[in-house]
Amino acid sequence: EPEVTQTPSHQVTQMGQEVILRCVPISNHLYFYWYRQILGQKVEFLVSFYNNEISEKSEIFDDQFSVERPDGSNFTLKIRSTKLEDSAMYFCASSPNVAANTGELFFGEGSRLTVL
Amino acid sequence: KQEVTQIPAALSVPEGENLVLNCSFTDSAIYNLQWFRQDPGKGLTSLLLIQSSQREQTSGRLNASLDKSSGRSTLYIAASQPGDSATYLCAAPVGGNNRKLIWGLGTSLAVNP
Repeated sequence: EPEVTQTPSHQVTQMGQEVILRCVPISNHLYFYWYRQILGQKVEFLVSFYNNEISEKSEIFDDQFSVERPDGSNFTLKIRSTKLEDSAMYFCASSPNVAANTGELFFGEGSRLTVL
Repeated sequence: KQEVTQIPAALSVPEGENLVLNCSFTDSAIYNLQWFRQDPGKGLTSLLLIQSSQREQTSGRLNASLDKSSGRSTLYIAASQPGDSATYLCAAPVGGNNRKLIWGLGTSLAVNP
């Protein structure tokens, strides 16, 4: 069964360093997302991406964050200069095109980011 | 503004019990609602998705219902097993935007052998 894959599973970084989290969405999906979950808190929407551009972003997704689909398969989240409060589990998700879409999002296993 | 609340926050039951987890949402103009399972430190596994036109959806021992008018969804787990121990999350989209999900904090379920 097709699945969303994320790398790395865990990354430890120093405050101020740049981090890139990678995702390979399900191959025929057209919508891509990043969500995050700070330990003990709710999962939060960060950004959605469609047709090679951001379709929506939350207040959390400030200038320190960026997303990119550099080729036909990868979808990346970059944090330019990490802060302690960026420590969280980051989830990538994808969903099919609207016409075939039940609205179901398919999530990866997550990338745990620890900022020291 | 969509807000999602789940009760109870935690539940501990003996093996074999049938149980109900509750999810409420404030904006009833939703496209669908999804239930997920999360094991400690792990990813989000989709369990069931109910479309706004449906009243319930079943998968194995799981049954999810949706009542848009009252802003509620329930997840029913029949004959619970220790392997069902996990956190169960519900997520509702922001109004007609079916791609931006608002999440509850989850119900942490422990099924004791």
